[in-house]
Formats: sequence, C-alpha cells, structure tokens
Amino acid sequence: DAGVIQSPRHEVTEMGQEVTLRCKPISGHNSLFWYRQTMMRGLELLIYFNNNVPIDDSGMPEDRFSAKMPNASFSTLKIQPSEPRDSAVYFCASSLGWERAYNEQFFGPGTRLTVL
Amino acid sequence: SQQGEEDPQALSIQEGENATMNCSYKTSINNLQWYRQNSGRGLVHLILIRSNEREKHSGRLRVTLDTSKKSSSLLITASRAADTASYFCATEPNYGGATNKLIFGTGTLLAVQP
Repeated sequence: DAGVIQSPRHEVTEMGQEVTLRCKPISGHNSLFWYRQTMMRGLELLIYFNNNVPIDDSGMPEDRFSAKMPNASFSTLKIQPSEPRDSAVYFCASSLGWERAYNEQFFGPGTRLTVL
Repeated sequence: SQQGEEDPQALSIQEGENATMNCSYKTSINNLQWYRQNSGRGLVHLILIRSNEREKHSGRLRVTLDTSKKSSSLLITASRAADTASYFCATEPNYGGATNKLIFGTGTLLAVQP
C-alpha cells in the first residue's frame, strides 16, 4: 500500500485566496484525521471522521475552515479565505477505526502551507 | 489545549547511550502511544500501551505507564544517530468508551551525536 497520500506537498498562496488540501487514506481504514502543526501550538487535531461522517470538529479554528469526506477514499480540508496565521504543516492520518480498539494512526507526509 | 506535555523539550546524547523521555497527561485514558517524527516528515507510530498495562517492550524501546501519576516514559536503549528525531506521546482520552481520537504532547527533540 502507498500509505496516506496528501496533495499538494507545498502550497504558497496570498492572503484571501481559497486553499484546498487533499488526502487519500489507506484503503480499508475507516477513520480519517486532519491535524495542523506549528512551532507555537504543536500538533493540533482539527477534525476527524469515522466511516466518512464527521465525529469531532471542535478543533477547527473558525468558520473559514471546512472539511469534507465524500467517500471512503478521499477527503478535503478547505480554508476560505486564507490568512497568514494559517501558515502551518497540515497532516492527514488514517486508522482502522472504531472496530478495532487501540489502533494506531498512519500519517501522510503533510502539506506545508504558506500564506503571504 | 494539548493533553500531554513532555520533558525534556530537547535531549542531546552520544551514540550508544540510553535516552529517556517523559510524558504527562491530564485526564483518564484508554491508551497511550508514542510516535516519532523526522524533520520535515509525517509521524510514525512506535508503540502503544493500554491503560491496564504498566510496561511494554519493542526492540530497543521500553515504555512504562503510571496511570495513578498520569505519566509515561519512553526509553530508547543503545541509541544510534538514526534515532535523531522528535518523539511525541499521544493519548486516547476515555470518555466512557473508545473515542479513536488522539491528543498529542509537545514533543521531545532527541539528537544523538555520532
């Protein structure tokens, strides 16, 4: 398996623009997670899905952020409009899900977002 | 807010020495996991210890868990230069069942000098 796939790997955009990050989880995994990592705040869970349904979005910073999972093999994280403080590395991770307790998460390589 | 805090924040040792990192957390947990992150890469799972376990081994890794103190430690024995990375603990909070959600600590940056 190729592991968790994220695109793009790097994104540079200007303030006010819309940014869409993409993630393909490992086939057969039922849970998908979006994280943001910065030096100041460390690794933060933004939202996670089980069986394509959002379970906990309490970490989403504000209404500018939205996430979707239209099917088991694809998810997007959208920021509209983007701001310089959104600059961070965004990670997607997947795991087997509810059905298997104590399961580990597999992380993608991340998308480094820079908002100018 | 983050569940876990680790110490030290940074650790520098010589190759062959042992490295010990500590993690403290705040609430009841189902399990605690340790992850490793090389610079510029995603996190990689190392080991998981359940809340009813006290110690676990995997290769050169030894993890302990003290739920009464809400703390864990990760020991890497006979360290190698390739062990240089950031190490994070992550806890699955117990909200009355399995949550599937992990809360990550602040991380320890380990540098192993050859």
